[in-house]
Amino acid sequence: AQTVTQSQPEMSVQEAETVTLSCTYDTSESDYYLFWYKQPPSRQMILVIRQEAYKQQNATENRFSVNFQKAAKSFSLKISDSQLGDAAMYFCAYRSRGSQGNLIFGKGTKLSVKP
Amino acid sequence: GAVVSQHPSWVICKSGTSVKIECRSLDFQATTMFWYRQFPKQSLMLMATSNEGSKATYEQGVEKDKFLINHASLTLSTLTVTSAHPEDSSFYICSAREGSVNNNEQFFGPGTRLTVL
Repeated sequence: AQTVTQSQPEMSVQEAETVTLSCTYDTSESDYYLFWYKQPPSRQMILVIRQEAYKQQNATENRFSVNFQKAAKSFSLKISDSQLGDAAMYFCAYRSRGSQGNLIFGKGTKLSVKP
Repeated sequence: GAVVSQHPSWVICKSGTSVKIECRSLDFQATTMFWYRQFPKQSLMLMATSNEGSKATYEQGVEKDKFLINHASLTLSTLTVTSAHPEDSSFYICSAREGSVNNNEQFFGPGTRLTVL
């Protein structure tokens, strides 16, 4: 069975600075998807970024980028120029390509942004 | 992007009663819907996966007779918590996916907070 581990329960960053959230996963599959979701206090899950395992190029979405290390099974999220609105819970998630689409989530990292 | 709604957003009920939560895809047809449960300060745990017109697939440890899931149309799935007890109090989130297996986009509803007294 696949597992997702986020080893940082809480992180803090100064506004305008850069922060990296860690995520590792365990799988025997070679083709899968990885995601980062943001859950603000409203509890609405928002997709931040996704990566397809067969793509070597790291995904980027504006201030958000990932460092995908397939061999190491690592999938970290870098947030550049942090903004107050980035404060939220961040969940790393895994999905098998051949499955129905159910996501396996890590336990989350609570990110605080200091003004 | 696609929108998924949930109703109600919060509900308080007495122990022993049943509660129904609706999940709707507003601008797309959801071939598959997922129901998650989230306890305070914890992650989302998948409860079940439902495909339109067929029986839901429940995760290990989830009582299918207690958490009834119906996905009767391509835009609506319902979760009914039967004979609710205080330990069922939680935040319930649905998500919906359109299209084929290779379409990996899931859209989440805003969640429903259930409190059982």
